[in-house]
Amino acid sequence: DAGVTQSPTHLIKTRGQQVTLRCSPKSGHDTVSWYQQALGQGPQFIFQYYEEEERQRGNFPDRFSGHQFPNYSSELNVNALLLGDSALFLCASSFGGNTIYFGEGSWLTVV
Amino acid sequence: GESVGLHLPTLSVQEGDNSIINCAYSNSASDYFIWYKQESGKGPQFIIDIRSNMDKRQGQRVTVLLNKTVKHLSLQIAATQPGDSAVYFCAENMAGTYKYIFGTGTRLKVLA
Repeated sequence: DAGVTQSPTHLIKTRGQQVTLRCSPKSGHDTVSWYQQALGQGPQFIFQYYEEEERQRGNFPDRFSGHQFPNYSSELNVNALLLGDSALFLCASSFGGNTIYFGEGSWLTVV
Repeated sequence: GESVGLHLPTLSVQEGDNSIINCAYSNSASDYFIWYKQESGKGPQFIIDIRSNMDKRQGQRVTVLLNKTVKHLSLQIAATQPGDSAVYFCAENMAGTYKYIFGTGTRLKVLA
């Protein structure tokens, strides 16, 4: 039973570029949430997708956008990258709004 | 690999001793709580959860205590092992919302 899988695991981007991160939820899960974790901090909620729609959004600018596909997988897009966007981006899946389970994350470095 | 807990509060315990990690949560309306363990370079791993209608819940070697009066959560790990070394986060969720709010985390170091 595969858990939450994310890709890529590491990437380096230049300021102003755009990035797309991908997530496949745990088998049987239909809901995907995205979190950003800066060094030395706890994860911060970006948004949650359910039934291919953004269900709730955290305090993140519109540069952060997402998508959920019919197979429940999801993408996180970040436009106009800033140095401060460097972080670990975590995807978490759940069945409905219940307990969330995390993937190993995508490390983004913006230079 | 990278670490997400470079400047976190640290709890150092001897191998075999019991560990107690504390967390003050932010919202009195939160009704569901989870403890996560995060090892270096990895994503948070679910340990145990508790709902607000309970004061205590036990798992394998772990116990979570909830004190709603003072908005405090604790994680007790019995017979701490080297493999328990990690950063531990508490997370809270309020009914009707879908986001989890995470605490700042505590680094647990197990001394041999």
